[in-house]
Amino acid sequence: QSALTQPASVSGSPGQSITISCTGTSSDVGGYNYVSWYQQHPGKAPKVMIYEVNNRPSGISNRFSGSKSANTASLTISGLQAEDEADYYCSSYSGSSTLVFGGGTKLTVL
Amino acid sequence: EVQLVQSGAEVKKPGESLKISCTGSGYSFITYWIGWVRQMPGKGLEWMGIIYPGDSDTRYSPSFQGQVTISADKSITTAYLQWSSLKASDTAMYYCARGLGGTLTTLPKSFDYWGQGTLVTVSS
Repeated sequence: QSALTQPASVSGSPGQSITISCTGTSSDVGGYNYVSWYQQHPGKAPKVMIYEVNNRPSGISNRFSGSKSANTASLTISGLQAEDEADYYCSSYSGSSTLVFGGGTKLTVL
Repeated sequence: EVQLVQSGAEVKKPGESLKISCTGSGYSFITYWIGWVRQMPGKGLEWMGIIYPGDSDTRYSPSFQGQVTISADKSITTAYLQWSSLKASDTAMYYCARGLGGTLTTLPKSFDYWGQGTLVTVSS
């Protein structure tokens, strides 16, 4: 059960859009529509931003959106804001009653 | 208001045992799965396992099976994560989190509410 693959870092300027990828296999990301995305600010607990590939929990800005194609899921943040600077983690159901996280991506807002 | 409140930071020696807790409030504790997630210093999130407090059905990540024990006491709406013999490599922040979705027989695929984390330091 390997961690999902995410870029170590991405960056963007305020107002721009960025996309973070999350690559797995047909046994996890590609096999189920159960990808979630979490935001974690330094010293804080993670916060769910997207669940089931493209669903936003109540209270999450519509600037955050998710998608999936084959074994790769993506999180897009549009209209970047300074407060979006954080670490982002994807997760996926991986069968056999287990979940797996990605390695995390550090988003820098320039 | 849904809250998960975890026990305080711990400093332990290798070989010692430890049990940390996660107390839920503001919702029906027995009908939501509670998961545990490890975050080693400067590293990413790792899914450890999950429990359904209603009947104590527990599932573990293969990476953590046999290394930790997850339990729950529904009478006091508290879930636990315990070690029988700590190692230095267990040094990490540990989070509990409530499952989003899921039922008695189906695992939740995401977590909506998280505890504040419990820092466990294991050092001789």
